[in-house]
Amino acid sequence: AQSVTQLDSHVSVSEGTPVLLRCNYSSSYSPSLFWYVQHPNKGLQLLLKYTSAATLVKGINGFEAEFKKSETSFHLTKPSAHMSDAAEYFCVVSKKGYSGGSNYKLTFGKGTLLTVNP
Amino acid sequence: NAGVTQTPKFQVLKTGQSMTLQCAQDMNHNSMYWYRQDPGMGLRLIYYSASEGTTDKGEVPNGYNVSRLNKREFSLRLESAAPSQTSVYFCASSPLDRGSGNTIYFGEGSWLTVV
Repeated sequence: AQSVTQLDSHVSVSEGTPVLLRCNYSSSYSPSLFWYVQHPNKGLQLLLKYTSAATLVKGINGFEAEFKKSETSFHLTKPSAHMSDAAEYFCVVSKKGYSGGSNYKLTFGKGTLLTVNP
Repeated sequence: NAGVTQTPKFQVLKTGQSMTLQCAQDMNHNSMYWYRQDPGMGLRLIYYSASEGTTDKGEVPNGYNVSRLNKREFSLRLESAAPSQTSVYFCASSPLDRGSGNTIYFGEGSWLTVV
């Protein structure tokens, strides 16, 4: 079984201040982990992904995330928020390795809405 | 760079009506998916197709049917729409049906309201 918990449903920051969006996961298998961003009325866009290479993963638009196995966490950070970062962010865990049929599973967190204040 | 294209973008249905959401991808991906997104629920998998000619149920398949028409196209049908199916629907695709690291690419969404 696998699950993902986004610890904050809403995060509000001021422009130019750091962003921290928290994600904890549980997985019976070695996981792959993703962060997606969704701007209003748009589809989901991949920010970054972890697939057992480097534990610190850099993504687009200055975002990065660190995989911490001991803490079962994959928090998303950015040093300085921009107004254009306002969106909803989803942490996603997937079962690693080939798994055909109904065993395939990609589990989404419930999302964190990021508000950036001027 | 079309990626994943889904139609229609907006639709209002009456309870009991039927409709089909269309999806096509131009990335030569093997796997395609349909998700629904509801407030506070994240995305939930309705159906997926690992490859052309195969389909499988996801978490919330009741009330839906799918057709993998060819490698490019994967449609979602509501045979008798219910208000509980009011949602935003996303089609997605990925290169392989593997859990490891294969990025899923999403369409822009279809907003469906059932009254």
